[in-house]
Amino acid sequence: DAEITQSPRHKITETGRQVTLACHQTWNHNNMFWYRQDLGHGLRLIHYSYGVHDTNKGEVSDGYSVSRSNTEDLPLTLESAASSQTSVYFCASGDKLNTEAFFGQGTRLTVV
Amino acid sequence: EDQVTQSPEALRLQEGESSSLNCSYTVSGLRGLFWYRQDPGKGPEFLFTLYSAGEEKEKERLKATLTKKESFLHITAPKPEDSATYLCVAGGYNKLIFGAGTRLAVHP
Repeated sequence: DAEITQSPRHKITETGRQVTLACHQTWNHNNMFWYRQDLGHGLRLIHYSYGVHDTNKGEVSDGYSVSRSNTEDLPLTLESAASSQTSVYFCASGDKLNTEAFFGQGTRLTVV
Repeated sequence: EDQVTQSPEALRLQEGESSSLNCSYTVSGLRGLFWYRQDPGKGPEFLFTLYSAGEEKEKERLKATLTKKESFLHITAPKPEDSATYLCVAGGYNKLIFGAGTRLAVHP
């Protein structure tokens, strides 16, 4: 069965460190997305990609970057982790940006 | 501004007690209305897509309906395993707009 997997599931890091969260999908979707989920907020879009070598900023992209070198993977990098980036991060993929998306299990990131 | 509002924030039901969750939306050029289920510590799980007013979708004890301004998720004779957060998501122009969710707890 097709799936989308994230790693690690949990991560604790120190302020100022660079952190990369992995996302791998076997749906063969061109479109992949990164969201963060915080108490009191719905899911918020960080970055998205329409295909290989394409990346776009979402509504909360400051401090984050992504790269897309193949169809299956969209790693999310926090250039210099800040406490405000403590959150649960979800990767998703789908046919289009505004249609149903399929989500990974999430990565809980704590920045201390 | 595009917006999705879900109510109530939390709902407690007895097993077998049917109820409905509400999702109000204001989205320019709605491309679709989606319902997801999210269990603690997991990613959202896709349930339904609705495209036009009057459309209905069913899955086991869940039925989703859509009007021009609202969507409802009806839960008939719920069981404890239906306990989860239910997310309403609207497809707007080139983006998804997420509601904050309704936390449903079904007690035996």
